[in-house]
Amino acid sequence: GAGVSQSPRYKVAKRGQDVALRCDPISGHVSLFWYQQALGQGPEFLTYFQNEAQLDKSGLPSDRFFAERPEGSVSTLKIQRTQQEDSAVYLCASSLARQFSYEQYFGPGTRLTVT
Amino acid sequence: AQSVTQLDSQVPVFEEAPVELRCNYSSSVSVYLFWYVQYPNQGLQLLLKYLSGSTLVESINGFEAEFNKSQTSFHLRKPSVHISDTAEYFCAVSDTGGFKTIFGAGTRLFVKA
Repeated sequence: GAGVSQSPRYKVAKRGQDVALRCDPISGHVSLFWYQQALGQGPEFLTYFQNEAQLDKSGLPSDRFFAERPEGSVSTLKIQRTQQEDSAVYLCASSLARQFSYEQYFGPGTRLTVT
Repeated sequence: AQSVTQLDSQVPVFEEAPVELRCNYSSSVSVYLFWYVQYPNQGLQLLLKYLSGSTLVESINGFEAEFNKSQTSFHLRKPSVHISDTAEYFCAVSDTGGFKTIFGAGTRLFVKA
């Protein structure tokens, strides 16, 4: 299909391990967002890219979290030295244009469990 | 800072009954408002949005929401629900000049036969 895809869908990491979560946005979408969704909560904004530029990373919880989108398409969210509080579903969304009036299309998410 | 409050975490309702899912927001600037829906085992998808103009917006499957600036609300309504409307519904707000979308905690709508 032509939707947003994320991989892996499930990830179990031991505390202290590094993880990398991948997002493939819809082709041609300029904007890309990462969210963290804890159990029973709504998605919480992490970071925003416009093409390859990371314009807002104010939602990243600590310097262990790092996101990149080097060629303006695929994006990777990396978490270093994972901790139990990092356990959540990580959602990626993309949008056709820069304006926030445009619909965000969400991927299925990556469920991260840190043991 | 913006915030979104969804006043009900769960709403059980019988099929063909009306339903209202409540959403209040706080913001000091102009906003866009959204309702997203997440059906079981599916990703989030946009249900409807308010950008400007008419304060009443509708979706293709019979939901509607009304932007009330004075009460800072954007409640979602449907006059007659179906079993297939069972899902989690998220209200969200975006600053028209910024990048963040702030989501509420969600309301789980459970439609019973």
